[in-house]
Amino acid sequence: DAGVIQSPRHEVTEMGQEVTLRCKPISGHNSLFWYRQTMMRGLELLIYFNNNVPIDDSGMPEDRFSAKMPNASFSTLKIQPSEPRDSAVYFCASSLVAGGDTDTQYFGPGTRLTVL
Amino acid sequence: DAKTTQPPSMDCAEGRAANLPCNHSTISGNEYVYWYRQIHSQGPQYIIHGLKNNETNEMASLIITEDRKSSTLILPHATLRDTAVYYCIVRVALNNDMRFGAGTRLTVKP
Repeated sequence: DAGVIQSPRHEVTEMGQEVTLRCKPISGHNSLFWYRQTMMRGLELLIYFNNNVPIDDSGMPEDRFSAKMPNASFSTLKIQPSEPRDSAVYFCASSLVAGGDTDTQYFGPGTRLTVL
Repeated sequence: DAKTTQPPSMDCAEGRAANLPCNHSTISGNEYVYWYRQIHSQGPQYIIHGLKNNETNEMASLIITEDRKSSTLILPHATLRDTAVYYCIVRVALNNDMRFGAGTRLTVKP
């Protein structure tokens, strides 16, 4: 079974440019999460969706960041305009919330973003 | 405010059991203990989780103390590929707030 798929795996861009990160969750999962990992701050939850609806975006650093989930099999995280401090590894994770007592998040391989 | 406390690093000899401790003295009755690991340059990998009872799967065993204030992840026969950062996380069931701390960097040595 394919796990969570992220693209691109690496992105290098210049300050001020728009960056779009993509995620395909595990088929059948109904929750999707975007995380960011830096040396200074570790792993941070940015936003999560349940049934394609954004539930909590309190972790989104500022208005330059936006995330969408147009359907159950695709999500994007966009940064516009990008800044050097956005350089990090961005992870997408998905889980199935199905009336049980807990859910388990499965992570993708990440996108390493470098903003020059 | 950290919910878990883990040693920053540990070493283990290849083939021996690796026992990774985690303190979660303020855990609530409805909070689960989850363990993930992150091998260099990869995404976090789910290992195991539990509420009260000890749990075992193909990867590891999870031992939770009776008062639930601490737990131990056991890798029964560590291999070099188990070298990674191991994260202990407590979270409310279906609460999607997964807070990763600094974890324990486990180094398995030949």
